[in-house]
Amino acid sequence: KQEVTQIPAALSVPEGENLVLNCSFTDSAIYNLQWFRQDPGKGLTSLLLIQSSQREQTSGRLNASLDKSSGRSTLYIAASQPGDSATYLCAVIARWSTSGTYKYIFGTGTRLKVLA
Amino acid sequence: EPEVTQTPSHQVTQMGQEVILRCVPISNHLYFYWYRQILGQKVEFLVSFYNNEISEKSEIFDDQFSVERPDGSNFTLKIRSTKLEDSAMYFCASSGAGSSYEQYFGPGTRLTVT
Repeated sequence: KQEVTQIPAALSVPEGENLVLNCSFTDSAIYNLQWFRQDPGKGLTSLLLIQSSQREQTSGRLNASLDKSSGRSTLYIAASQPGDSATYLCAVIARWSTSGTYKYIFGTGTRLKVLA
Repeated sequence: EPEVTQTPSHQVTQMGQEVILRCVPISNHLYFYWYRQILGQKVEFLVSFYNNEISEKSEIFDDQFSVERPDGSNFTLKIRSTKLEDSAMYFCASSGAGSSYEQYFGPGTRLTVT
């Protein structure tokens, strides 16, 4: 059974710091991996989707990498800002063996606080 | 840009009552999903729906839950007799048939059972 874990569970950093969030998964048979941002009590905002054939994706100050063989993904946030404060979720996208449809399996999340 | 919408944004109901959560997926999408997130916990898969039938469901999705696509645009989740532990944020998602397999999530409905 696929398990997705995120470390650290919580992180507090001063503004301007570069930081790395980690996501690990137990089964390397995934199709894609996606990072989301979730503000308290709100929905899921997609940040980056990395397809299985890619090793990384970049959007602005965000860079996500994927190493399927080691079961790891990292989200790098450059020059963090107070507005980056949120919970960051990773989700692996795997395939149901029965129907052939796809499912998202979410990680536990990293709660980030960037201090001004 | 097309987006998934959900109504209501917040629903309060009494234990034992039936609730229907509504979703309008992106118009040309073919696959529909419901997920839930209990406060402070992971987002969990409930059910997927394709071609007017359930394609997969989790162990959470027991007989008190049902899904329906009553017309060409809406996708609903019905909880027949709500329990306190059904209190959660419910997310609808939809996806097309493409190589990215990306699911697009709605803003969620917060269900509070009292």
